[in-house]
Amino acid sequence: GDSVTQMEGPVTLSEEAFLTINCTYTATGYPSLFWYVQYPGEGLQLLLKATKADDKGSNKGFEATYRKETTSFHLEKGSVQVSDSAVYFCALGFSGGSYIPTFGRGTSLIVHP
Amino acid sequence: KAGVTQTPRYLIKTRGQQVTLSCSPISGHRSVSWYQQTPGQGLQFLFEYFSETQRNKGNFPGRFSGRQFSNSRSEMNVSTLELGDSALYLCASSQESSGNEQFFGPGTRLTVL
Repeated sequence: GDSVTQMEGPVTLSEEAFLTINCTYTATGYPSLFWYVQYPGEGLQLLLKATKADDKGSNKGFEATYRKETTSFHLEKGSVQVSDSAVYFCALGFSGGSYIPTFGRGTSLIVHP
Repeated sequence: KAGVTQTPRYLIKTRGQQVTLSCSPISGHRSVSWYQQTPGQGLQFLFEYFSETQRNKGNFPGRFSGRQFSNSRSEMNVSTLELGDSALYLCASSQESSGNEQFFGPGTRLTVL
């Protein structure tokens, strides 16, 4: 079956440090890929997405590129802020019809001032 | 557009009781999915409803059930509560399919004593 593997957390960084959260996937076909973020006490919200190979999703300074060759969708940000502290989920899905989306286990990011 | 709303936000029940949680999707969204989130198991898919029909079901016992109304609002019910049912229950809506980007509500925090 389909699966998503994320790096284990927590990831602890100082403010203004560079962030990478690794995500690799296994799927039959060509899924859409997503990064969701969950702030404390809230539900998940979509951070960015990419729907085909070589697409780059970006939002709020975060970026991720859909790499079909390496089946990866790593999340990056050049300079993190304390307000970026949250749990980040990588996910994959297929549009149309019935499909159960696949989520990674989440990576907790803690940013210190 | 108003976001996904869930009621109640917090709930405390005792073992053996039953509970009903409610979710109102974003206007125009026809797919509603439910997830259980716990620290140990992460985000687990419960079921998806589309046009009042259950389209997908995760690996949960029959004590977990749901339904969707003609206005796309959804409810989930858990009967004979167990301590292990304590979790954050998240509802997510999407326009056509849970395989597309989803919009999550803030969740209902259920505590079973």
